Amino acid sequence: DGGITQSPKYLFRKEGQNVTLSCEQNLNHDAMYWYRQDPGQGLRLIYYSQIVNDFQKGDIAEGYSVSREKKESFPLTVTSAQKNPTAFYLCASGGGQGNYGYTFGSGTRLTVV
Amino acid sequence: AQKITQTQPGMFVQEKEAVTLDCTYDTSDPSYGLFWYKQPSSGEMIFLIYQGSYDQQNATEGRYSLNFQKARKSANLVISASQLGDSAMYFCAMREGRGGGFKTIFGAGTRLFVKA
Repeated sequence: DGGITQSPKYLFRKEGQNVTLSCEQNLNHDAMYWYRQDPGQGLRLIYYSQIVNDFQKGDIAEGYSVSREKKESFPLTVTSAQKNPTAFYLCASGGGQGNYGYTFGSGTRLTVV
Repeated sequence: AQKITQTQPGMFVQEKEAVTLDCTYDTSDPSYGLFWYKQPSSGEMIFLIYQGSYDQQNATEGRYSLNFQKARKSANLVISASQLGDSAMYFCAMREGRGGGFKTIFGAGTRLFVKA
């Protein structure tokens, strides 16, 4: 079945450590997105990519980095520069014209220890 | 700047009754899309329904309908015949521009509780 796979489901990060969250899709979507969700709040856009080898900053890109070397993959690195990284991270993809909503992964819950 | 407002942090509804979740939006782009997503306690976001800014009729998908009032810039979600499984967070979202690949912004969400 087509979908988006995020891993790991839970991740613990030590202070000053970089961690990478994985996002893989087999939906053949051009565009992929990373959102951050804090408790009781909506989603905020971190980075998005509309095509391979290209990506743009979202509203809260500071302290994060991404790459898009393959259409299927859009990993997110949370760097030590991100001072408050504890949150729920959701990856999404969406492509084509029309009324397509995004397809989301099941999320990664990152905790700083 | 585009903006989505959901003014109801929480809503209660009796099973089998209908419920309306409010959403207002602000954009200067004449072409935009409005979406509703459901987020159960598992955390995954589920796309429910879409309304295009040029659509003349309100969108419907099964028990979900979107009450689109363009002049008032509102896009309320109506869930008919509520079920216990409808208990979840619901997010209104907007995407400017035609087609996919444009970034989507989300409201703060409304938590719906369905009572037996």
